[in-house]
Amino acid sequence: QSVLTQPPSASGTPGQRVTISCSGSSSNIGSNYVYWYQQLPGTAPKLLIYRNNQRPSGVPDRFSGSKSGTSASLAISGLRSEDEADYYCASWDDSLSGWVFGGGTKLTVL
Amino acid sequence: EVQLVESGGGLVKPGGSLRLSCAASGFTFSSYSMNWVRQAPGKGLEWVSSISSSSSYIYYADSVKGRFTSSRDNAKNSLYVQMNSLRAEDTAVYYCARGSGDGGYDYVDYWGQGTLVTVSS
Repeated sequence: QSVLTQPPSASGTPGQRVTISCSGSSSNIGSNYVYWYQQLPGTAPKLLIYRNNQRPSGVPDRFSGSKSGTSASLAISGLRSEDEADYYCASWDDSLSGWVFGGGTKLTVL
Repeated sequence: EVQLVESGGGLVKPGGSLRLSCAASGFTFSSYSMNWVRQAPGKGLEWVSSISSSSSYIYYADSVKGRFTSSRDNAKNSLYVQMNSLRAEDTAVYYCARGSGDGGYDYVDYWGQGTLVTVSS
């Protein structure tokens, strides 16, 4: 059971906009930044969004992040086949003094 | 280019020990915190440990506290984790990952390719 809660799956057709939610608590998302990682099949994770809504260089602006209270969301617009991957949210947890991850959301592009 | 290369994984019996290493290059290793994150087969990511740039701060997940010890050698640009009293549930790909700053809990910005640890009799 992960500390952060994500839907196990999401799907969309090419060109669509999809969102992935991440729910936490006051000790993690509620008081710290949220990060998102993309893991393509058979590869290591890659940083997608940092500090709630910032994109590292090289990440397309089709990817955006937001946070409100103890929840966060990742939005992907103009969905492409290469976006098919697992997506994880993460945050520091003050009570645990450690990083916590969501269980991951498998995105399927239909 | 940031490169992180893990080594030391393999098959170990329950109760056994293993030491993983991570060789870093492409950045000033001594200026960044480092992390271990693991992923059990077919499962999600689980943070294991974080160590600050000067080793002043080291954090562990409750699941490994007292059994795993993280360390680093800035002169050798290397990160280590000594894993003792291994259990079947420690079976996972272990990723070495760079922290974004020099403190104890900076977010991960780069990942290695991982090394597989299998705990089985």
